[in-house]
Amino acid sequence: QVQLQESGPGLVKPSETLSLTCTVSGGSISYYYWSWIRQSPGKGLEWIGYIYDSGSTSYNPSLKSRVTISVDTSENQVSLKLSSVTAADTAMYYCARLDIEYSRSLGYYSYMDVWGKGTTVTVSS
Amino acid sequence: SYDLTQPPSVSVSPGQTASITCSGDKLGEKYPCWYQQKPGQSPVLVIYEDNKRPSGIPERFSGSNSGNTATLTISGTQTMDEADYYCQAWDTSTAEVVFGGGTKLTVL
Repeated sequence: QVQLQESGPGLVKPSETLSLTCTVSGGSISYYYWSWIRQSPGKGLEWIGYIYDSGSTSYNPSLKSRVTISVDTSENQVSLKLSSVTAADTAMYYCARLDIEYSRSLGYYSYMDVWGKGTTVTVSS
Repeated sequence: SYDLTQPPSVSVSPGQTASITCSGDKLGEKYPCWYQQKPGQSPVLVIYEDNKRPSGIPERFSGSNSGNTATLTISGTQTMDEADYYCQAWDTSTAEVVFGGGTKLTVL
């Protein structure tokens, strides 16, 4: 059974770069999409971006200028970097396996069927 | 960008049927999915492809989708179903993931 574990510093200073890693165990990282999602305290889910094992990516337009998602297939890891952070980036950060499917009648659709437990990141000096 | 709208809160009595809606332009032409998130826990996929349940999700969870509205229905709602529920869809024009704002389900 595939499991995801997020890791990284719990405290980041304003203007610095947030760096998180998602380690995939119990299965291969290949042939899947992997997504990052965050949730600010008391707020809803916000999609950050996703990556395929080939390295192709898509990012939330509101974060695109600051986000980089990368994949290391040899380590079965997906990484997130978010630059120039502010207090507004304080959140729980989740990684999830993203299934993107195709229906002849409806086109592409997606869902996230495996989630990590998340890691809390606080931006503060 | 594509937007999904959910009511902030829904209340239901134990044993009754809860309905949570998610609205978006021509949402019926997409396959939205639904997640359940209990306090302090990660989201869990409960419905995908309109009305499919992942392994382990009780049969009382079902979904429907038509026109501009998708609905998550919980039949015979139990106190353990009290949680936040999020719909999610795929924006085909941009190949991006979109979440609804979430609905807090209260069972009382």
